[in-house]
Amino acid sequence: DQQVKQNSPSLSVQEGRISILNCDYTNSMFDYFLWYKKYPAEGPTFLISISSIKDKNEDGRFTVFLNKSAKHLSLHIVPSQPGDSAVYFCAASARGGANSKLTFGKGITLSVRP
Amino acid sequence: NAGVMQNPRHLVRRRGQEARLRCSPMKGHSHVYWYRQLPEEGLKFMVYLQKENIIDESGMPKERFSAEFPKEGPSILRIQQVVRGDSAAYFCASSSGGNTEAFFGQGTRLTVV
Repeated sequence: DQQVKQNSPSLSVQEGRISILNCDYTNSMFDYFLWYKKYPAEGPTFLISISSIKDKNEDGRFTVFLNKSAKHLSLHIVPSQPGDSAVYFCAASARGGANSKLTFGKGITLSVRP
Repeated sequence: NAGVMQNPRHLVRRRGQEARLRCSPMKGHSHVYWYRQLPEEGLKFMVYLQKENIIDESGMPKERFSAEFPKEGPSILRIQQVVRGDSAAYFCASSSGGNTEAFFGQGTRLTVV
């Protein structure tokens, strides 16, 4: 039972354009959402997070949008850079914070073409 | 300012042997999480520990797997009598508690032959 779904396994965008990575969830108890970036043979690196009391959080080139009614969130990267090429994982937790177990999606492989 | 350190990075075991995976959290962190990633899958939660206590082990297989985080030393994930299906990347993460994000180590890639 996949509670966090990243339905598109891959995405390819041109350098300088916007990358939009989508994520859906089914568990209504989730109230904190995170995006991680992962390079091959390395551990995930935290990118950005959002609490369910917000619908948007921005950090530099990265913006996360949360639509609670649709149980959907998305990560926008603009402008995209070749160094952004990696696997991006969406993750969610319940009980009000990041300091509890995370449920991860399967990841999306982003390729940014020079 | 070392991050989360996991060793070994790669571990090969024959079926039936024991595997011990070590995780040293970031300095000042007392919360440790273990996750497993199977090929083509996302990370799956296994266990959450604080010093000397298991807080949540809802993701741990019922048999052969155990974890500890002693007062001194690293956290250990122990897999007894390994089988081929245990082959995966095992990631450790640590946090300082409260509503803070966890930082991940580089993982241990276990191969059972």
